[in-house]
Amino acid sequence: DIVMTQSPDSLAVSLGERATINCRSSQSVLYSSNNKNYLSWYQQKPGQPPKLLIYWASTRESGVPDRFSGSGSGTDFTLTISSLQAEDVAVYYCQQYYATPQTFGQGTKVEI
Amino acid sequence: VQLVESGGGLVQPGRSLRLSCAASGFPFDNYAMHWVRQAPGKGLEWVSGISFNSARIGYADSVKGRFTISRDNANNALFLQMNSLRGEDSAFYYCVKSEIFAEPASHLDNWGRGALVTVSS
Repeated sequence: DIVMTQSPDSLAVSLGERATINCRSSQSVLYSSNNKNYLSWYQQKPGQPPKLLIYWASTRESGVPDRFSGSGSGTDFTLTISSLQAEDVAVYYCQQYYATPQTFGQGTKVEI
Repeated sequence: VQLVESGGGLVQPGRSLRLSCAASGFPFDNYAMHWVRQAPGKGLEWVSGISFNSARIGYADSVKGRFTISRDNANNALFLQMNSLRGEDSAFYYCVKSEIFAEPASHLDNWGRGALVTVSS
């Protein structure tokens, strides 16, 4: 199985400041046939189901604010919140869908 | 898109339970579906996936041989038959939609609110 490892496990960021979450996969999730990274990011607020933020490592889902961005390729990826808002307090997960079983990182808790 | 899970509850170890997911707001028979679970206070675990026409099915090792995923495209429904339940199966079970289930697959774009399964004597 592909193991997804996020860092840090938690971080506290001031309002308006940048938050950066890293995700590393144990093997590449870059598919050479189409040059796409099979990596997504999800946001989960307390008491809610996860919500898709980013797919193909860097494509923002419709309706997601542009302060959220994804980058990286191969095995190393980053989710950046450029200017943290109060409503961004949540746990963030990366996930690979390159291989079965699809696997998630352990989650990163973002607090103010 | 609306995904509504049902069938959760308290069940004794070793017994069975069947989860259902009612889908609406999209052409159900065009999309792959999945079950993802989350133990209270813990992270996410993909459990099982099924292609639009049920031709491809996959399971996590932790449930292989005990759980069975199926779908009824005529009635826009997804199911998870869970047998020989264990304490570690206790979790919220989310019904999730994606474009395809293949290798590689596609991202999980819509999630239900989840059904809680508690396995305890």
